[in-house]
Amino acid sequence: AQSVTQPDIHITVSEGASLELRCNYSYGATPYLFWYVQSPGQGLQLLLKYFSGDTLVQGIKGFEAEFKRSQSSFNLRKPSVHWSDAAEYFCAVVLTGGGNKLTFGTGTQLKVEL
Amino acid sequence: GAGVSQTPSNKVTEKGKYVELRCDPISGHTALYWYRQSLGQGPEFLIYFQGTGAADDSGLPNDRFFAVRPEGSVSTLKIQRTERGDSAVYLCASSSPNNEQFFGPGTRLTVL
Repeated sequence: AQSVTQPDIHITVSEGASLELRCNYSYGATPYLFWYVQSPGQGLQLLLKYFSGDTLVQGIKGFEAEFKRSQSSFNLRKPSVHWSDAAEYFCAVVLTGGGNKLTFGTGTQLKVEL
Repeated sequence: GAGVSQTPSNKVTEKGKYVELRCDPISGHTALYWYRQSLGQGPEFLIYFQGTGAADDSGLPNDRFFAVRPEGSVSTLKIQRTERGDSAVYLCASSSPNNEQFFGPGTRLTVL
């Protein structure tokens, strides 16, 4: 079945530590790939996106993600986490030729310990 | 400029009642999307408008759900005969064609 998988439901890191959030997709063709962040009471905010080209993409707030076709993955990374990064993170895809509707993973809740 | 706004922010209703949820998109955005986010889940697509017409309503769960966008701007999601399982956060997003979707803060619907 076609899907977006975020294997980690919860992750806790110490402030200043590095972060990697995993995302895998299961589709026949490479979709467009996105990472969103959702803070309590806030709307979803786009961190970064991948359509084609350079497989390492830079986003806002110091985040980056790497597309690996061989692993069907699009993992989100940050070298040094700040307490304000605590939020829920969603990986999402848009299927090429499928309109512009987003299909989301189930999310990873990030907790940052001071 | 103003972002996507949604009203009400919270709605509590009783099983069997009718509810309307409103979305005001960013001015000039021709595309408008509705998603539903249940507790512990990612948002799920409901319906997508391009202008006034529904370009894709494949995500509407059943015929109790209906959405309109009569003038190509504001959209209303309508739910008839609400059920407890309809309780969720309903998210709206807007975009210019094939561009980034900007999300509103959502309407939290609770059906008692």
